[in-house]
Order: sequence, then structure tokens, then C-alpha cells
Amino acid sequence: QKEVEQNSGPLSVPEGAIASLNCTYSDRVSQSFFWYRQYSGKSPELIMSIYSNGDKEDGRFTAQLNKASQYVSLLIRDSQPSDSATYLCAVKPGGTSYGKLTFGQGTILTVHP
Amino acid sequence: GAVVSQHPSWVICKSGTSVKIECRSLDFQATTMFWYRQFPKQSLMLMATSNEGSKATYEQGVEKDKFLINHASLTLSTLTVTSAHPEDSSFYICSATPGQGNQETQYFGPGTRLLVL
Repeated sequence: QKEVEQNSGPLSVPEGAIASLNCTYSDRVSQSFFWYRQYSGKSPELIMSIYSNGDKEDGRFTAQLNKASQYVSLLIRDSQPSDSATYLCAVKPGGTSYGKLTFGQGTILTVHP
Repeated sequence: GAVVSQHPSWVICKSGTSVKIECRSLDFQATTMFWYRQFPKQSLMLMATSNEGSKATYEQGVEKDKFLINHASLTLSTLTVTSAHPEDSSFYICSATPGQGNQETQYFGPGTRLLVL
């Protein structure tokens, strides 16, 4: 079982719709969770971080964390073609990990006009 | 804030030569820097973790004698690919974090694309 799993997609949504991206993780003691966006040929950029159960909103983005079920999700409201990218879920494991992140394989999102 | 730069952004070299890539945190002191490699259509693969003033910690399967990492200051880490071969062609990305706490975020550099002929 992979430590961080994402549906690789591609996920295709129409412009203006809500895109829902999901991620599950195996390490129960994980404390920190991050969503990065990566455009083709570019490096990842941080969208959101979440540390506590529940929802965290930032503009059109909402991250949701459920530690009991070991999943974290990202909702993108009013999706735009510019949101088309690969979305990487990253988890900071518990214990002595020295800040290392474990990444999922990424979900490719396509927003079509 | 939290800007990380890399230099060069791309490099082409002949097989057998060495290539040095610099990673700098521009507006914060990075106690820890990470080096990743990404092949086309794959996710990031962590190569090593470096802390200022100490030896880097390499991930399993990464040759430490081939990928030399130096973290001489709180704002600069370098990755040297020694005796590069075509299979080393990849997208190398560094990241930096101000600390090791659970809520510290990793900020990524723009990446260096290496092509070995």
C-alpha cells in the first residue's frame, strides 16, 4: 500500500463547476497535510496547508481533513481553465521525519471551457 | 515572502561531466533543504535532505557519491551531479523550509532541467 494515494485522473470538469480532489494516507500519526499545484514543466506551488480536522477555506479553495478516516480533500469552486494542472497531495509523517514530505502521485485536473 | 531560487534553470552537458545546481532561499533562513528529482509524468522523488552544516541524509537507492550535496549556509545548498550520464537527465527541484516543525511549509524552487547528451 502506498503511503499517500491519489486518483491519478485525469479529472475533467466544465468551467464554473466544483472540482473535488481526494487523497488518503496510511500513517495514522501524520500531523500536517499540504496541497500543491504543479503546472506542466513547472515546480510545485503551495495552495493550502491543513493541520486540524474539518474544513479550511481560502478563496475558491477548501481543504478538508478527516484524520479518523485518514483522508484529505481539496475542493475548487468555480473552476477555471487556468486551474488545469496536476494537484499533489503531500503529508508530513509523524515521528522523526525531519520535515520530509511524502507526496502522492498527483491528480491531473482539466477544466474545459 | 518565502522565495526559493535555483540556478541554472536548465543545463545541457556531455556525458561524463559534472553539473552543479544551486538552491537559495532569498528571504528566509532555511534550516533544512530538500532535493527532489522528477521524471516525465511521475511524481516528485525525494533524493536527500540537507541541514546546514551537516552531512546530507540520502534516501534509499540514491548514490551519495554521485549526487553530492553541500549545505554550507542557511541560504544556500548545492547539488552536484558527478560524471553525469543520459539516465541522469531529469527535472531537479529543491525546496526549503525555515524549520522542522510539523507546521513548517516546504517552499519549492523553480527547478533545473538537466539534459545529458
